[in-house]
Amino acid sequence: DAGVIQSPRHEVTEMGQEVTLRCKPISGHNSLFWYRQTMMRGLELLIYFNNNVPIDDSGMPEDRFSAKMPNASFSTLKIQPSEPRDSAVYFCASSAPGLRETQYFGPGTRLLVL
Amino acid sequence: KQEVTQIPAALSVPEGENLVLNCSFTDSAIYNLQWFRQDPGKGLTSLLLIQSSQREQTSGRLNASLDKSSGRSTLYIAASQPGDSATYLCAVREWDAGKSTFGDGTTLTVKP
Repeated sequence: DAGVIQSPRHEVTEMGQEVTLRCKPISGHNSLFWYRQTMMRGLELLIYFNNNVPIDDSGMPEDRFSAKMPNASFSTLKIQPSEPRDSAVYFCASSAPGLRETQYFGPGTRLLVL
Repeated sequence: KQEVTQIPAALSVPEGENLVLNCSFTDSAIYNLQWFRQDPGKGLTSLLLIQSSQREQTSGRLNASLDKSSGRSTLYIAASQPGDSATYLCAVREWDAGKSTFGDGTTLTVKP
């Protein structure tokens, strides 16, 4: 099993540019989570999908952020336009249906907005 | 709103010591609690998950306990090794949604 796959692993961009982060969950998992981690705020849940449907997007900071999950094997998190304060590590995690529902994290995308 | 606190923020111990990491949460209506490990520059690795109906889980040298009534969980690490050096985070998952709230973590350093 390849685990949760995220791309790119590192992204450096200039303020105002569009940034798209990608995630492929573990096959068979039906829940997908996007998190953001910073030194100041720790690990924050941005949005959560269940069976490709967004369930809770209350953590999305503002309208500049959007997330989609067009099918069970792919999700994107887009920031448009990006700002320096968006610099963080963005993690994608997935979990399987069932009692345990352990979350499995991807390696993260380290984003730097100049 | 659920709040999760981990104390201490950092801990340094000599190799071989047994140690306890603490996690407290404000809303006891939880679905489960999960302990993770994060190495520098890496993602999170799940260590143990305790369902709300359980009191503890064990995996190797790790033992996690849960006391919902007091809003506390502990992660016990036996016979610590330098390879245990990492940041340990606990996450509480709510009943009414899949949402998890994370603590800020405890950074553990085990000195040889």
